[in-house]
Amino acid sequence: DQQVKQNSPSLSVQEGRISILNCDYTNSMFDYFLWYKKYPAEGPTFLISISSIKDKNEDGRFTVFLNKSAKHLSLHIVPSQPGDSAVYFCAASEGNGQNFVFGPGTRLSVLP
Amino acid sequence: DTGVSQDPRHKITKRGQNVTFRCDPISEHNRLYWYRQTLGQGPEFLTYFQNEAQLEKSRLLSDRFSAERPKGSFSTLEIQRTEQGDSAMYLCASSLAGFSYNEQFFGPGTRLTVL
Repeated sequence: DQQVKQNSPSLSVQEGRISILNCDYTNSMFDYFLWYKKYPAEGPTFLISISSIKDKNEDGRFTVFLNKSAKHLSLHIVPSQPGDSAVYFCAASEGNGQNFVFGPGTRLSVLP
Repeated sequence: DTGVSQDPRHKITKRGQNVTFRCDPISEHNRLYWYRQTLGQGPEFLTYFQNEAQLEKSRLLSDRFSAERPKGSFSTLEIQRTEQGDSAMYLCASSLAGFSYNEQFFGPGTRLTVL
């Protein structure tokens, strides 16, 4: 049973527009969430994180929103750039755990 | 390059053979993690070390798998009697303990193909 779900396998967005990637989780004990980006032939790269005590965290063009009651988080990229084209993974952990649970990923394509 | 490195990048082996992968973490990082990733899935946690101590193991880590980090620096992951289901990307990551939550830095992975 997947504890972290990313229900959209792929997403295409026009350059300059907003990209919204979604993630749902089932484990109410998760209290720390991260987004990783992965290019082909490379390992995942950390993008942004959020603790459950917050509902929003922003870093440049990237903003993560957390809705604990809905067990849902989203990553907003504004404006989207062709270099953002990659697979994005949502991950979660509970307590001070080192065991990150990853979703299956969403492939984002930003079209010029 | 001071990132996480993994060797080899690709390994093709026949079913029943043993394979060993190596991971060199970022030098000041004292935590090291192994993940496995199959096609269309995200990385799945296998195990992690703090210094040389193996602190957590997933139930995914069957008795054919063994990981070591003898001097608290590099780590090896050995798979004995490989099976076709072991074909996957094996990812290593490292982090610096001392914070409640810490970012894990990933290496490029070792792609294993079991024929």
